[in-house]
Amino acid sequence: AQSVTQLDSQVPVFEEAPVELRCNYSSSVSVYLFWYVQYPNQGLQLLLKYLSGSTLVKGINGFEAEFNKSQTSFHLRKPSVHISDTAEYFCAVSPSGGSYIPTFGRGTSLIVHP
Amino acid sequence: KAGVTQTPRYLIKTRGQQVTLSCSPISGHRSVSWYQQTPGQGLQFLFEYFSETQRNKGNFPGRFSGRQFSNSRSEMNVSTLELGDSALYLCASTPTGPYNEQFFGPGTRLTVL
Repeated sequence: AQSVTQLDSQVPVFEEAPVELRCNYSSSVSVYLFWYVQYPNQGLQLLLKYLSGSTLVKGINGFEAEFNKSQTSFHLRKPSVHISDTAEYFCAVSPSGGSYIPTFGRGTSLIVHP
Repeated sequence: KAGVTQTPRYLIKTRGQQVTLSCSPISGHRSVSWYQQTPGQGLQFLFEYFSETQRNKGNFPGRFSGRQFSNSRSEMNVSTLELGDSALYLCASTPTGPYNEQFFGPGTRLTVL
């Protein structure tokens, strides 16, 4: 079984500042990793995904994440945030190589202040 | 391609009633999953249907059920509603293949009074 821990439930930050949202996972098998974003009153939207290859993954809206196998982490970063980045962010993991339902973390609320 | 659609978007019911929610996946997607999202519990997996068969199931009571039709559209039903069933119910569809990326609909906001 897999598990995902998002270490911060809420991250406040000022506009144009950098941000890092932390995600650690646990799994006994190889995994795929995902970050989703949920804006108010909307469903989840995929930001980026790691399947294999380069450990640095670039996504939409200027976000990127780095897969660290030894630390079982997949932290999400953005060098300069905007007010419009205020949303809930979910990290998810699923076993690779089959049709599995991803396991989601509890979410991190990113609050960008002007 | 049109995205995942869910109807209705908002619903108010009273305790003891039953409710049916509908989800239309992206064209060509055969897997449909349902999630319950609440502030306290986060995103919890209900069940997944693939080619009209339930393939995976989460840890929810039997009051929660679902089905999938031959055109991949899915419905979920909750019988004997409880106050704790108030939540955002999200549907996600997944294309055939091993990558498990899910495409979410906007959700149905269910309020139980």
